[in-house]
Amino acid sequence: EAGVTQFPSHSVIEKGQTVTLRCDPISGHDNLYWYRRVMGKEIKFLLHFVKESKQDESGMPNNRFLAERTGGTYSTLKVQPAELEDSGVYFCASSQHISGANVLTFGAGSRLTVL
Amino acid sequence: KQEVTQIPAALSVPEGENLVLNCSFTDSAIYNLQWFRQDPGKGLTSLLLIQSSQREQTSGRLNASLDKSSGRSTLYIAASQPGDSATYLCAVMGSSDYKLSFGAGTTVTVRA
Repeated sequence: EAGVTQFPSHSVIEKGQTVTLRCDPISGHDNLYWYRRVMGKEIKFLLHFVKESKQDESGMPNNRFLAERTGGTYSTLKVQPAELEDSGVYFCASSQHISGANVLTFGAGSRLTVL
Repeated sequence: KQEVTQIPAALSVPEGENLVLNCSFTDSAIYNLQWFRQDPGKGLTSLLLIQSSQREQTSGRLNASLDKSSGRSTLYIAASQPGDSATYLCAVMGSSDYKLSFGAGTTVTVRA
């Protein structure tokens, strides 16, 4: 079974540019999460999809961030325009059900560097 | 708001010693607690998941305990090996929102 796949693995852009990160969850997993870790901080929740619907987007930092999950399969996270403080590692995770018994499977992360 | 603290931030031990990693959390209304391992440049690998009703979980050389009322969990790694060198993260899942709150991690170095 393929795991959670994220790309690009590393993106370097200049302030003001746009970046789109993609996450392919495990096939059949309805739940998809985005988390991020900025320098020196803990990993923080960004948002949660159930299929194609946003269940919880309370962690999205501002309206420069847009997440989509068309068709309930892969998801994209777009940052436009990127700022210096957006630099960090963006993790995607998926699970089959919303349940505390389900372990979230994390991807390797997409490292974003904004210069 | 859930706050998760991990102590120590870094740990260096000679091979063969037992490791003790601590995690504390402020809100006891949790669904479960997970311990993850992260290697440099890699994703998060789930090591152990303890449901809120459980007291401990074991997997091989790893044992994790949970005291929900006092907001504490401890990860024990027996007979450490250089391959155990990594960052270990503790995360609690909220009982109402299913969101994970992470600690900052403990970076472990096991010296050969």
